[in-house]
Amino acid sequence: EDQVTQSPEALRLQEGESSSLNCSYTVSGLRGLFWYRQDPGKGPEFLFTLYSAGEEKEKERLKATLTKKESFLHITAPKPEDSATYLCAVQALTGGYNKLIFGAGTRLAVHP
Amino acid sequence: DAGITQSPRHKVTETGTPVTLRCHQTENHRYMYWYRQDPGHGLRLIHYSYGVKDTDKGEVSDGYSVSRSKTEDFLLTLESATSSQTSVYFCAISTDRVGNSPLHFGNGTRLTVT
Repeated sequence: EDQVTQSPEALRLQEGESSSLNCSYTVSGLRGLFWYRQDPGKGPEFLFTLYSAGEEKEKERLKATLTKKESFLHITAPKPEDSATYLCAVQALTGGYNKLIFGAGTRLAVHP
Repeated sequence: DAGITQSPRHKVTETGTPVTLRCHQTENHRYMYWYRQDPGHGLRLIHYSYGVKDTDKGEVSDGYSVSRSKTEDFLLTLESATSSQTSVYFCAISTDRVGNSPLHFGNGTRLTVT
């Protein structure tokens, strides 16, 4: 069964304390992996798309990487404004159909 | 917000009543989607549309129907609301089929069914 698992469920960091969020997946026919950021009371906001193992994308303090089984979202020297829930979604080709499967997210809290 | 407006933002309704949620976009994107978000679950696709009057079911479509009479509007109807449909509903749009281009989301409708 196609599955996307994010860990940890919640993460508390001190400002400046770098860390990584994990998105592991078991899907057939990976077509792409997406990262989103979601603030409370808002819809998810697109961050990155990764298509193949070894690919990396960066935006400010965030860097996303992809292997054949998982993706990491590295947060370098985070600030309180990086506090949000981070979602990953995997595009899979299953039975001839495109499916987008979302993980449940990691809630990140960065404290000053 | 990529020009996506959801209405209402909050709604409380009683079990058994019909409810319609509206999504309006100003981006002229072909594809529109309705998702629900529940604690401990990833976003789950209810229905989607790939053009005016062209819609298809997602993974959790039972109890829901949709309509798209104009490019800019996509309506989600709960035919007879149940407590299990208490959720936050998000509309999303994209320029290409799901996964081929990023989704852009509205800010959601929080629905409570009592």
